[in-house]
Amino acid sequence: DTAVSQTPKYLVTQMGNDKSIKCEQNLGHDTMYWYKQDSKKFLKIMFSYNNKELIINETVPNRFSPKSPDKAHLNLHINSLELGDSAVYFCASSPTGLEQFFGPGTRLTVL
Amino acid sequence: GQQLNQSPQSMFIQEGEDVSMNCTSSSIFNTWLWYKQDPGEGPVLLIALYKAGELTSNGRLTAQFGITRKDSFLNISASIPSDVGIYFCAGQGAGGTSYGKLTFGQGTILTVHP
Repeated sequence: DTAVSQTPKYLVTQMGNDKSIKCEQNLGHDTMYWYKQDSKKFLKIMFSYNNKELIINETVPNRFSPKSPDKAHLNLHINSLELGDSAVYFCASSPTGLEQFFGPGTRLTVL
Repeated sequence: GQQLNQSPQSMFIQEGEDVSMNCTSSSIFNTWLWYKQDPGEGPVLLIALYKAGELTSNGRLTAQFGITRKDSFLNISASIPSDVGIYFCAGQGAGGTSYGKLTFGQGTILTVHP
């Protein structure tokens, strides 16, 4: 009965590669998010989708592109990975845009 | 942009002690949330606060939404070893463009010695 799930849990890849992280929520929420947590544990919002429409797009390189095939899924595709992209990426969902429920995270390591 | 200043950065306490941490902002927030993150896991929502002055409890946890709307406090009473983790405050600012956009504090690392 997982609420917000992400795959993969760990992702190790070379610089320059393209990778995707998938997120699914079974809570029936309308809004989903992507956050980045850096090595100092600082959490910063990247994107937010409401009913498959982009509503928040923070200052994120164009190499990052979210895709929402339906309101239960929000995937994150990253092109031309760089060393600085190494971080933990969290997906979250919310029924109201206020209380947000996080997935378990994907630890991305770029070598 | 909006920033939250969370303190202390870390705490080392004995089991059974009470814990207090707080978050302050230079701008007004409409909503305050407190999360806990265990190692290797995502943040888990502990308490949500929606009105200035609101005081809400969740078991041994009590949080308050400051009257000025620029701060919030989290207290943990009678700490136990499983309280160990990183506690984050998060707030949503006033204004339409802030809807759904949470700003997080830097986190408070809590260590509880048995």
